[in-house]
Amino acid sequence: QKEVEQDPGPLSVPEGAIVSLNCTYSNSAFQYFMWYRQYSRKGPELLMYTYSSGNKEDGRFTAQVDKSSKYISLFIRDSQPSDSATYLCAMSAGSSASKIIFGSGTRLSIRP
Amino acid sequence: GAVVSQHPSWVICKSGTSVKIECRSLDFQATTMFWYRQFPKQSLMLMATSNEGSKATYEQGVEKDKFLINHASLTLSTLTVTSAHPEDSSFYICSARSRGDRYNEQFFGPGTRLTVL
Repeated sequence: QKEVEQDPGPLSVPEGAIVSLNCTYSNSAFQYFMWYRQYSRKGPELLMYTYSSGNKEDGRFTAQVDKSSKYISLFIRDSQPSDSATYLCAMSAGSSASKIIFGSGTRLSIRP
Repeated sequence: GAVVSQHPSWVICKSGTSVKIECRSLDFQATTMFWYRQFPKQSLMLMATSNEGSKATYEQGVEKDKFLINHASLTLSTLTVTSAHPEDSSFYICSARSRGDRYNEQFFGPGTRLTVL
């Protein structure tokens, strides 16, 4: 079993829809949770960074962490064609020696 | 802030030659830099972790003599692919972790596409 599981998609939704992206994990030591966006042939860009359980909102993006269920989500409201990219979840146990473990990424396409 | 650059952005080389890729943190000091490899439609595969002034730590299955990593300063790490072969063709991405509270954040470079003929 992988430490982090993420549905690779592809996920295609119409412009303006709410998008829900999810990851599950098995390591209860993870405390830091990130979402990255990666456009084709580009490096990943950090979107959201959260610590422990709870919600964090930044513009059209909301990150949710449920540590009891080992489940994290990224919601995108009012989705735009420019949101079309691969979204990677990532997590870490938090010590300076901890590696960041990435999900396999979900390919998202927003149809105009 | 937190900008990481890579050079070159793409490179084509002949089989058997060596290629050096640079990774720089432009506006922060990176105590740790990471090198990843990414094949098409796949996630990031961590190759090695480098800490400034010390030897890199390689992941299992990554040949340290083939992928030479140098992290000579707090803003620069280099990856040299030695005696490159077509199977080394891939997208190589570096990332840097800053000092301070949010040391778990990694900021990624734009990547270097290597094609070995």
